[in-house]
Amino acid sequence: GQQLNQSPQSMFIQEGEDVSMNCTSSSIFNTWLWYKQEPGEGPVLLIALYKAGELTSNGRLTAQFGITRKDSFLNISASIPSDVGIYFCAGLSNTGNQFYFGTGTSLTVIP
Amino acid sequence: DAGVTQSPTHLIKTRGQQVTLRCSPKSGHDTVSWYQQALGQGPQFIFQYYEEEERQRGNFPDRFSGHQFPNYSSELNVNALLLGDSALYLCASRPQDRSRYGYTFGSGTRLTVV
Repeated sequence: GQQLNQSPQSMFIQEGEDVSMNCTSSSIFNTWLWYKQEPGEGPVLLIALYKAGELTSNGRLTAQFGITRKDSFLNISASIPSDVGIYFCAGLSNTGNQFYFGTGTSLTVIP
Repeated sequence: DAGVTQSPTHLIKTRGQQVTLRCSPKSGHDTVSWYQQALGQGPQFIFQYYEEEERQRGNFPDRFSGHQFPNYSSELNVNALLLGDSALYLCASRPQDRSRYGYTFGSGTRLTVV
C-alpha cells in the first residue's frame, strides 16, 4: 500500500516560533489533507488541498500541495501552547473512499 | 449538532474473545469508515460502508467484519482477538451531500487485548 512519510517525527519549540513539517508519498494523490490529533480524541481536519501547487491558509496555518502531487507541507506561524498535538498528513484515494495517513509529527510548544 | 459518536470509549478484552464496536455518524452523513490506530502510528483504513454494504476494504484479515444499519449507524466486529489488535479504533463519516467535503472523525474506542 501507499507509504506516507512525515518529517520531522517530533518537534520541541518555543512559543512564538514558526513550525514547518512535510509529508512525502511514494504515490500520487489528488487530494491532500492535514489533521491534528490531541490525546484521547480523533483527528480533526485543519486544511484540505485539491490542486497541485495549491497554497491554502487557515488562520496561522498554511499548507501547500506539491506540484509533483507526491508531497505536501504544513507551516504554523507564531506557535502557541494550544498548538500542541500530533499532526498527520493524509492522502485521499482516487475513489474518495480511503485515507492514507502519514506517520505523524508530534509538536510540543514550550511557553 | 452531535458529531460522530462511538461506544464504548474504552474496552478490555482477553485474547480469543470477540468484540463489537459501535458508531453513529454525524447528522446528514450516510457513509461510515473504520480505521485502526496503533500507538504512535497513523490511522490505517479497515473498511467503508455505504448503503449497508462494504464498499472498500483495507489490508485487514477476515476476523474484522462490519455492518451498517438503515439509520446509517455501523458496527465493527473483531473475532479471535490477538494482542496486536490493541489499538484506538476510529470511525469517520461522510456527508450525503458530496459537494461538501467533510469526513468527520469520532473520538474513538480504545481497545486493549490482554
